[in-house]
Amino acid sequence: GAGVSQSPSNKVTEKGKDVELRCDPISGHTALYWYRQSLGQGLEFLIYFQGNSAPDKSGLPSDRFSAERTGGSVSTLTIQRTQQEDSAVYLCASSLDAGGFYEQYFGPGTRLTVT
Amino acid sequence: QKEVEQNSGPLSVPEGAIASLNCTYSDRGSQSFFWYRQYSGKSPELIMSIYSNGDKEDGRFTAQLNKASQYVSLLIRDSQPSDSATYLCAVPNQAGTALIFGKGTTLSVSS
Repeated sequence: GAGVSQSPSNKVTEKGKDVELRCDPISGHTALYWYRQSLGQGLEFLIYFQGNSAPDKSGLPSDRFSAERTGGSVSTLTIQRTQQEDSAVYLCASSLDAGGFYEQYFGPGTRLTVT
Repeated sequence: QKEVEQNSGPLSVPEGAIASLNCTYSDRGSQSFFWYRQYSGKSPELIMSIYSNGDKEDGRFTAQLNKASQYVSLLIRDSQPSDSATYLCAVPNQAGTALIFGKGTTLSVSS
């Protein structure tokens, strides 16, 4: 079946502009995660959604970052007033359920470049 | 904060050899463990999950878990050049809301 999809695949933006990144999880997966991976760095957790529960936003690096998940499916990560240090690959993952035992499947990522 | 440690490598093995990738974790209470493969410029791809002590085999891959020693390893038998990638070890965070990843081990298989 279809995997996790993300759009756009690449985004180049000027410093100070806002960007929106989209994630469409695997059908039937209730948990959705956002991570980012900077050049040469490890994967860094950003935010987690599970059903109608309050999201875990503990990984968001600043209040310029926000995310929402509409209808328990598609999620949008928004970065306001982008900075050069926001340049990274933003990865979305989904799992059948939450709680740490369920396997997470990643989308292809969005490569964000802030000039 | 849980930590996951991996030798960054590179680990170089000849084609057909066994590649052994190791990972240690800090939280003795961790219950589930995941191995991902990441090709350069691509996103992580799940290879295996393991939850119980001992070995779990899937094709050429074997995951080994030793909770007493807090390490998990991945063996790749009959290594192929196409196995050349970065291998990431991951454990769930305390809340179960995210995976904590090691920095990965780079494997290079020469033909």
